[in-house]
Amino acid sequence: AQKVTQAQTEISVVEKEDVTLDCVYETRDTTYYLFWYKQPPSGELVFLIRRNSFDEQNEISGRYSWNFQKSTSSFNFTITASQVVDSAVYFCALTTDNFGNEKLTFGTGTRLTIIP
Amino acid sequence: NAGVMQNPRHLVRRRGQEARLRCSPMKGHSHVYWYRQLPEEGLKFMVYLQKENIIDESGMPKERFSAEFPKEGPSILRIQQVVRGDSAAYFCASSLKRAPYNEQFFGPGTRLTVL
Repeated sequence: AQKVTQAQTEISVVEKEDVTLDCVYETRDTTYYLFWYKQPPSGELVFLIRRNSFDEQNEISGRYSWNFQKSTSSFNFTITASQVVDSAVYFCALTTDNFGNEKLTFGTGTRLTIIP
Repeated sequence: NAGVMQNPRHLVRRRGQEARLRCSPMKGHSHVYWYRQLPEEGLKFMVYLQKENIIDESGMPKERFSAEFPKEGPSILRIQQVVRGDSAAYFCASSLKRAPYNEQFFGPGTRLTVL
C-alpha cells in the first residue's frame, strides 16, 4: 500500500514571500517516483516535476525548488518570491515500479493563495 | 502534437441517466488511466487500460461504472444510472508505454454535474 500526506490544507502568503508545501509519502517499494502537479482555478492539471527514488539531488527550476529527503520520506516544494499566478491547488503524487501498480496515488492537495 | 483530449468538458445529467465520458490519448499512446476528483479532494485512481484490455480496475466502483479502450477510437468511461454522488471531475491520462517509466499526461478533465 502507498500513501501521500499533504498536511497543509490551505496556505495564504503575501506576494513575494517564500512558501514551502510539505509532502510526506509511504511506500514499501525501493523504487518509486514522486510528482508535483499544479491545479489552477481553471481546473487542469499541470505537471511540475518527477523525481525517482534513486535521485536525491534537490532540484531548482526558476522560482521553484524541490527538497527530496528519503530519510524522512518527504518531498517538499518551495516557491520563492511568490506571485499571484502561483495561486492554485498543488498535489503531490507517488507511483512505484511494481508491475500492476502503475497508478498515481495523490495527496489531498494544498490550496495556496497568494495575497497581492 | 496534440495533448490528451477529453469531451465533453462539462456534462450535466439528471439522476438515473447515463453519462459517457470520452478520452483521446496523445498520439501514439496506448496506455490510458482514469482518475476521479470529488469536490475539494485529491484525485483517486479508477482504472488503467491498454488497447482492448483492462489492466487494473481496482479503483472502479463495483456497480454502474465501466470503462473501455477499443482498438479504434477513444477510451470511454461510462456511468449508468447516475446519482448525485457521481458529481465530480473525471480526468484521463495517457502514457506512451507503461508508467512509471513513461510519464502520464493529463487531459483537461470532464466536470460531471448530476442534478
